[in-house]
Amino acid sequence: EAGVAQSPRYKIIEKRQSVAFWCNPISGHATLYWYQQILGQGPKLLIQFQNNGVVDDSQLPKDRFSAERLKGVDSTLKIQPAKLEDSAVYLCASSGGTEAFFGQGTRLTVV
Amino acid sequence: DQQVKQNSPSLSVQEGRISILNCDYTNSMFDYFLWYKKYPAEGPTFLISISSIKDKNEDGRFTVFLNKSAKHLSLHIVPSQPGDSAVYFCAASVFRNTPLVFGKGTRLSVIA
Repeated sequence: EAGVAQSPRYKIIEKRQSVAFWCNPISGHATLYWYQQILGQGPKLLIQFQNNGVVDDSQLPKDRFSAERLKGVDSTLKIQPAKLEDSAVYLCASSGGTEAFFGQGTRLTVV
Repeated sequence: DQQVKQNSPSLSVQEGRISILNCDYTNSMFDYFLWYKKYPAEGPTFLISISSIKDKNEDGRFTVFLNKSAKHLSLHIVPSQPGDSAVYFCAASVFRNTPLVFGKGTRLSVIA
């Protein structure tokens, strides 16, 4: 079974620039999550999708972050404009009803 | 307010001995608990889980114990192997398939 695919693996941008991350979940998984993991912390939920609908985006900084999951499969997470404190690993996870399976993450550095 | 707490940032254990990683939680609504293992430059990998109706779940060398009255769970690894060296995250959710709340992690080092 193929795992959760994320790209890019690494990204370095200057503050105030925009950036987008892509996620392809495990086939058949209806639930997709985006988490942010800051160095030394555990992953923190940004948004949860169920198929192509948003279930929970209460912790998403909506003034600069946006996410979509068109057709209920792939998802993109965008940051515009980026701030220094957005430097983190962005993890995508999918679930078919039990535990969540994570991708390798995208490490974002904002300089 | 941290709902899931892992108070030990690191732990060192001799190969062959038992590793015990601890986790406390504050939200009494949590009813599903998981442990994830994370190697550098990789995403977290699911290790073992337990629902609140049980107090123990075992899978090979890994056992998770849940003490609901104390709002405490622990992961036991016996025997510990060098390949177990990683960061271990405790996570909890209110129901299955709802967002996980993670602790900060404990870095386990198994010394040969």
